[in-house]
Amino acid sequence: GESVGLHLPTLSVQEGDNSIINCAYSNSASDYFIWYKQESGKGPQFIIDIRSNMDKRQGQRVTVLLNKTVKHLSLQIAATQPGDSAVYFCAENKAGNTPLVFGKGTRLSVIA
Amino acid sequence: EPEVTQTPSHQVTQMGQEVILRCVPISNHLYFYWYRQILGQKVEFLVSFYNNEISEKSEIFDDQFSVERPDGSNFTLKIRSTKLEDSAMYFCASSERQGYGYTFGSGTRLTVV
Repeated sequence: GESVGLHLPTLSVQEGDNSIINCAYSNSASDYFIWYKQESGKGPQFIIDIRSNMDKRQGQRVTVLLNKTVKHLSLQIAATQPGDSAVYFCAENKAGNTPLVFGKGTRLSVIA
Repeated sequence: EPEVTQTPSHQVTQMGQEVILRCVPISNHLYFYWYRQILGQKVEFLVSFYNNEISEKSEIFDDQFSVERPDGSNFTLKIRSTKLEDSAMYFCASSERQGYGYTFGSGTRLTVV
């Protein structure tokens, strides 16, 4: 499939380690945030979301942290696996009003 | 699990030709979107569509572009007189509620030569 994001920042982690992917969002009025995973040749796949009235939300092996003060979002992946290798995008919107706006992606490479 | 289906997966067209990219959104979804992703860049919003009309569009979505829901299942993006810089992955998405729960298709890779 097509290789997306040839010029994206890359994070390389050892299998089994934890990964932290960061995102600085742009709109202080945004109140809904999502992390997407994009594998080569595929569309963005929903991972986890968080609303602005929360600062942390946990899923299965993933945690999203939101710091509204500095407009920063992070995705933590526990015990990273080879199948986690992909490009990860954060996205934001002002709930219900505007379409999702995507940030720049980060390529995660898991070293077995 | 319900999917958004896009066809074709890859389209090659000559500069100046018209192309139609097709999408079948999830059946109970009411909001439809087109995004594009130029190689190596982020996913960019093009247009959103609700109740048979455009609800919002970006500055990328100029007169060269149009969208249509010709029947109860398909949602199409037409690009008239394609340019080299239109080469990108085009993603369709749909959602049940505006702004939430987008499901993306696998995309159509458009190559303009």
